[in-house]
Amino acid sequence: QSVLTQPPSVSGAPGQRVTISCTGSSSNIGADYDVHWYQQLPGTAPKLLIYDNSNRPSGVPDRFSGSKSGTSASLAITGLQAEDEADYYCQSYDSSLSGKVFGGGTKLTVL
Amino acid sequence: EVQLVESGGGLVQPGGSRRLSCAASGFTFSSYWMSWVRQAPGKGLEWVANIKHDGSEQNYVDSVKGRFTISRDNAKNSLYLQMNSLRAEDTAVYYCARDSRGYLWGQGTRVTVSS
Repeated sequence: QSVLTQPPSVSGAPGQRVTISCTGSSSNIGADYDVHWYQQLPGTAPKLLIYDNSNRPSGVPDRFSGSKSGTSASLAITGLQAEDEADYYCQSYDSSLSGKVFGGGTKLTVL
Repeated sequence: EVQLVESGGGLVQPGGSRRLSCAASGFTFSSYWMSWVRQAPGKGLEWVANIKHDGSEQNYVDSVKGRFTISRDNAKNSLYLQMNSLRAEDTAVYYCARDSRGYLWGQGTRVTVSS
């Protein structure tokens, strides 16, 4: 049971928009700790996709965007492409656990 | 270019020990918190431990407290994870990660705990 809750899977057709939610609590996202998002392609290490809730590292397409509100955060992907098929994880800090926490991950399938 | 290269993984018996290393390059290693994150087969990511830039503070997930020790040698640009009393549930790919506005990751090293 992950501290941050993500849907196990989402899917969409090429060109469509999908969102992935990340729900936390008052000891993590709700305590105003930043949320980061990672993309993990099959068989590879995770890659930073969004940092500090809504910022894209250099080289990440602007099709990817992040937002945060209250005790939740979201990752949106527009103009879905086959290469976006991967696992996506959110991450934050939890003050009651005194450590970093991850969501359980969401598998994105491009139909 | 930021580079993190883990080593030291392998097969270890339950109750055994293993030391993982991570060689960092492309950035000022001594300026950053560093972490170990693991991923069990077919599972999600789990933060294991982190260490302050000067080594003066370490934090651990409850499941490894008292068994794992994170350390660093800033003169060698290296991060370590000493793992003792290993259990089957410690089987995972272990990633070294630079902690600064999100993680930048190494490629990982696989640890298998099995008899």
